[in-house]
Amino acid sequence: AQKVTQAQTEISVVEKEDVTLDCVYETRDTTYYLFWYKQPPSGELVFLIRRNSFDEQNEISGRYSWNFQKSTSSFNFTITASQVVDSAVYFCALSERETSGSRLTFGEGTQLTVNP
Amino acid sequence: EAQVTQNPRYLITVTGKKLTVTCSQNMNHEYMSWYRQDPGLGLRQIYYSMNVEVTDKGDVPEGYKVSRKEKRNFPLILESPSPNQTSLYFCASSLRTVSTDTQYFGPGTRLTVL
Repeated sequence: AQKVTQAQTEISVVEKEDVTLDCVYETRDTTYYLFWYKQPPSGELVFLIRRNSFDEQNEISGRYSWNFQKSTSSFNFTITASQVVDSAVYFCALSERETSGSRLTFGEGTQLTVNP
Repeated sequence: EAQVTQNPRYLITVTGKKLTVTCSQNMNHEYMSWYRQDPGLGLRQIYYSMNVEVTDKGDVPEGYKVSRKEKRNFPLILESPSPNQTSLYFCASSLRTVSTDTQYFGPGTRLTVL
């Protein structure tokens, strides 16, 4: 069965600090897909990034970067020079190729608070 | 603007009073799904639909019904709501019914059942 663990329940940083959100996943499938979503205080879920299991190339997009390591089953997310607007709950999610219903399995989320 | 919309955004109701939460997408997506979000339990899938007239149960379907008569709409029906269905509900859609596709979520519906 697939499982996603986000061990950090809450993180609090001061503006301009770098912060890394951890995500560890479990799957028996060799083909799977990983996602990060952001849920700001307004409540909506915003898609940030998708990675497939064959693509371990890490990515940087502005202040965001992602580190995917199959060897440790981790898909961590880093925000550089954090800003108050980054305050949100961040969810890591997993989808296996063979999962019926394209179901996303979510971690429990990490509440990030960026203080001015 | 490409989006998934849900109505109502907030609803307070009483036990046993039938209600429908609507979901609509304007992206011609094949796949649509409903999730509920609860503290400590994360997001869990309720029902999904691969295409018009094709629906199936997710992880927590008890107490819910869905229908997909048109491609753009996927309403969630609670025939006899109970307090344990108090939750934040999200509708999602993706272009195709494959797990590679990104699911885009609606703004959420916060439901309280008294």
